[in-house]
Amino acid sequence: GENVEQHPSTLSVQEGDSAVIKCTYSDSASNYFPWYKQELGKGSQLIIDIRSNVGEKKDQRIAVTLNKTAKHFSLHITETQPEDSAVYFCAASIIGGAQKLVFGQGTRLTINP
Amino acid sequence: GAVVSQHPSRVICKSGTSVKIECRSLDFQATTMFWYRQFPKKSLMLMATSNEGSKATYEQGVEKDKFLINHASLTLSTLTVTSAHPEDSSFYICSARTPSGRGSTDTQYFGPGTRLTVL
Repeated sequence: GENVEQHPSTLSVQEGDSAVIKCTYSDSASNYFPWYKQELGKGSQLIIDIRSNVGEKKDQRIAVTLNKTAKHFSLHITETQPEDSAVYFCAASIIGGAQKLVFGQGTRLTINP
Repeated sequence: GAVVSQHPSRVICKSGTSVKIECRSLDFQATTMFWYRQFPKKSLMLMATSNEGSKATYEQGVEKDKFLINHASLTLSTLTVTSAHPEDSSFYICSARTPSGRGSTDTQYFGPGTRLTVL
């Protein structure tokens, strides 16, 4: 089955700097890669996703890149703000099937003012 | 965007009792809902996939008789933790998927979670 590895487990950056979180996946059939943000005691919120037919997607300060050959994808947050502090999870699944999301271990991002 | 609610947000119960958690899709019909469990500082682990009008599909290692799932309508799925024990204490999160078909995004929308504490 699919296995998703996420790094780093914790990340601390200065406000205004960029943050990058990386994930690798094992199943080459996976073709959908969402990123979720989870704030303390709350459920996860989808912040951006990418399908395997594109290599990059951007939404304001957030971007995701995908390298299908290497089977890894990354989340990039630019101009970080204190409200970006949260736990971020990457996930992988196959569109159209059971669509089970396999999650990475999570990255606790702290933005220092 | 699509909104998923969960009720209750927090529940404390005595060992041996049963607890029901509701998951509702508020502004869309969800043919499929998923139930996850999350331990502190850990990732979300899929427990079961719930399809409206049919039996849930449980992941390996999840006891179907202990975690009863009912998906009676396109907007409601329930998870009942039967005869709860302290080791069942966890954060339970549901998600709902928009129906497949033209224009579908295949996106899962997550509820805010339910923190269960079993004394």
